[in-house]
Amino acid sequence: GQQLNQSPQSMFIQEGEDVSMNCTSSSIFNTWLWYKQDPGEGPVLLIALYKAGELTSNGRLTAQFGITRKDSFLNISASIPSDVGIYFCAGQLGTNAGKSTFGDGTTLTVKP
Amino acid sequence: ETGVTQSPTHLIKTRGQQVTLRCSSQSGHNTVSWYQQALGQGPQFIFQYYREEENGRGNFPPRFSGLQFPNYSSELNVNALELDDSALYLCASSLYGQGELRMNTEAFFGQGTRLTVV
Repeated sequence: GQQLNQSPQSMFIQEGEDVSMNCTSSSIFNTWLWYKQDPGEGPVLLIALYKAGELTSNGRLTAQFGITRKDSFLNISASIPSDVGIYFCAGQLGTNAGKSTFGDGTTLTVKP
Repeated sequence: ETGVTQSPTHLIKTRGQQVTLRCSSQSGHNTVSWYQQALGQGPQFIFQYYREEENGRGNFPPRFSGLQFPNYSSELNVNALELDDSALYLCASSLYGQGELRMNTEAFFGQGTRLTVV
């Protein structure tokens, strides 16, 4: 089956620093998604990307859909303590929002 | 808060038992997808229910089954529980349409049910 490789697995950064994480796949996806999951909660959608090459921002977050459709990255600028959590990338083949393939996440720790 | 509610929040079962988990979808949504999230991993797609029928299934054995009701809520049933079934079970609701009037929205996740099999 399809697999998504997320890197890095974990990051420890100082408040105010920028963060970059990425996701690669052996298969093509038509939609890339980035989620954040806090302890005891379900994943919450941060950014959705629908077109190869697309660059989309949501506040301090910026994500890009790779030209090959096999990768995506997420940047967080000027990190703050509430950015702590696990960030997941997910890919979709079609337009059905409920059917996604997830990576194994990047755990972000922000030191004040 | 997403409006997707799951029950119970925690559950402990013995190997070999059966379990039923429940999910109420967000108002206006017609589709429920179930995911299994093992510790330290991302969610894995189990199956989806649309129009009260299974609409796609991941790599899970038949002892994982489900139902969707006319009000779009859903149940996940797991028979003959194994230790490896211990995980967080997430449901996600979305609005899905087919054909020319396709209306697809993002999926909203519930907080999950933590199942422990001992």
